[in-house]
Amino acid sequence: AQTVTQSQPEMSVQEAETVTLSCTYDTSESDYYLFWYKQPPSRQMILVIRQEAYKQQNATENRFSVNFQKAAKSFSLKISDSQLGDAAMYFCAYRSASGANSKLTFGKGITLSVRP
Amino acid sequence: DAGITQSPRHKVTETGTPVTLRCHQTENHRYMYWYRQDPGHGLRLIHYSYGVKDTDKGEVSDGYSVSRSKTEDFLLTLESATSSQTSVYFCAISEGGPDYGYTFGSGTRLTVV
Repeated sequence: AQTVTQSQPEMSVQEAETVTLSCTYDTSESDYYLFWYKQPPSRQMILVIRQEAYKQQNATENRFSVNFQKAAKSFSLKISDSQLGDAAMYFCAYRSASGANSKLTFGKGITLSVRP
Repeated sequence: DAGITQSPRHKVTETGTPVTLRCHQTENHRYMYWYRQDPGHGLRLIHYSYGVKDTDKGEVSDGYSVSRSKTEDFLLTLESATSSQTSVYFCAISEGGPDYGYTFGSGTRLTVV
């Protein structure tokens, strides 16, 4: 079974600075997808960014980018120019590419606070 | 984006009572999921469905049952609620292949007293 580990329960960043959230995973599969979800206080789960394991290029979405290290099974999220609205819980998630019925496996999440 | 709604948004119930949470989608997506979110545990899969009347267990299914009699509705039932089932419950759908991730409902906060 796949597992996703987020070992840091909390992090803090100064507004306008850069922060990196860590995630590692364990799998025996070679093809899969990785995701970062954001959960603000509203409780809504918002997809931030996705990465396909077969793509060597790291995904980027505006101020959000990932550092995907397949051999190390590491998938970190970098937030540049942090804003107050980035304060939220962030979840790393894994999904097998085996089919449309594959399930998302989540890490425990990390709470990010942004200092003004 | 698919419309996905959960009801109720909040509920307080007493130990031992049955509780049903509803998830409704406005498009005919085949795969639907129920997760629970607890501090220190992230989101854990309770049950999922891959079609009408086709459901299966997730990793934390004890004490829960589900039903899907129509494509658009996926119901989660706590047969006899316990305090350990106090949690936030999320419904999700898979809108396409595995690269899509899931789209989530807004969650139900259930408190069992």
